[in-house]
Amino acid sequence: GAVVSQHPSWVICKSGTSVKIECRSLDFQATTMFWYRQFPKQSLMLMATSNEGSKATYEQGVEKDKFLINHASLTLSTLTVTSAHPEDSSFYICSAKARDIVSNQPQHFGDGTRLSIL
Amino acid sequence: EDQVTQSPEALRLQEGESSSLNCSYTVSGLRGLFWYRQDPGKGPEFLFTLYSAGEEKEKERLKATLTKKESFLHITAPKPEDSATYLCARGIREKLTFGTGTRLTIIP
Repeated sequence: GAVVSQHPSWVICKSGTSVKIECRSLDFQATTMFWYRQFPKQSLMLMATSNEGSKATYEQGVEKDKFLINHASLTLSTLTVTSAHPEDSSFYICSAKARDIVSNQPQHFGDGTRLSIL
Repeated sequence: EDQVTQSPEALRLQEGESSSLNCSYTVSGLRGLFWYRQDPGKGPEFLFTLYSAGEEKEKERLKATLTKKESFLHITAPKPEDSATYLCARGIREKLTFGTGTRLTIIP
């Protein structure tokens, strides 16, 4: 149980294009989804938290106009990197958390999207 | 500011050689200490959640323990397939603050 699917797993595109990444919880309803960014040999840095049907909450220093997040249903969140540039190249990982029936439910992670901007 | 520190940064062990990984945190008021395993190019895989000092959880060759200021992940008689980066994270409300991880390599 608790499977999170992320798509695509790998994207290469030209500078200036927009890229959409999907995150789906396959076997549970995710009231909250999270988007992280990870640079090589570094840990995960939280970018934003999204709750179904409401606006995402962005961490300090993350540009909300560059990283658009939509959480339209209890099983799907999307991250769109708008007008991507080489400095946006990174490993983007989503996670999903089920409703807290039992306190402190863990986050379950997708397998990440490797984004390379040329 | 929340800080989570893991040590060592990297660890190489012979197959069967037991050891422990450390995770320490600076903020009081623990709301959950999480351990994850991450393989190269993959997302983290959930291992354990610990809530209170003295708590222990086990899964196969792994055992996680928790004190008031740190957590340990003990690996007993590891196998090559245990090679991965092990991440700990402190939970506060719904957010996780991750440490930088310990890269574990088990040599056959």
